Amino acid sequence: DAGVTQSPTHLIKTRGQQVTLRCSPKSGHDTVSWYQQALGQGPQFIFQYYEEEERQRGNFPDRFSGHQFPNYSSELNVNALLLGDSALYLCASSRHRGNEQFFGPGTRLTVL
Amino acid sequence: QKEVEQNSGPLSVPEGAIASLNCTYSDRGSQSFFWYRQYSGKSPELIMSIYSNGDKEDGRFTAQLNKASQYVSLLIRDSQPSDSATYLCAVTPVGGGFKTIFGAGTRLFVKA
Repeated sequence: DAGVTQSPTHLIKTRGQQVTLRCSPKSGHDTVSWYQQALGQGPQFIFQYYEEEERQRGNFPDRFSGHQFPNYSSELNVNALLLGDSALYLCASSRHRGNEQFFGPGTRLTVL
Repeated sequence: QKEVEQNSGPLSVPEGAIASLNCTYSDRGSQSFFWYRQYSGKSPELIMSIYSNGDKEDGRFTAQLNKASQYVSLLIRDSQPSDSATYLCAVTPVGGGFKTIFGAGTRLFVKA
């Protein structure tokens, strides 16, 4: 049973650049949520995708966008990177009628 | 007032003792409650979910929920050094749609 996978593991970018992070959900899951986790903080909800649509969004600017594909995998795009975007980006998958979310290993983004 | 509050710790307990981790939340209508364990440099791992008032036991872990007091706790019996990690409390507020709100976590150290 494959768990949630994310790529890449680590990424270094400079201010103003754009980045795309990828996530494949756990087998049997159709819903993907993205979180940002700063050092010493809990994960902060960015948005959730279901049926290829953004179902809900947290308090993040429009620079953060996403996509879900027919195979339920998802991408998180961040434009015009700021130093403050440096964080661990987590993808979590779930069944659309379930509440339990399972996290991938995360992508560590560093913005210089 | 934060939506989900946890004591940041660190909480230090000797091996074999009971570790008690606490969490309060602000949305009285919240329905779903979760405990995640996060080792340093890793992603959160779901330990327990609880939806009804009372206790729920799973191995050495017991989750306790008191909706009237807006309080959820996690007890770890026979604590082991391998339990040393940050424990994240997460809540799905009734008015929050599909969003899950995480606390900042409590660091637990189990001394051998």
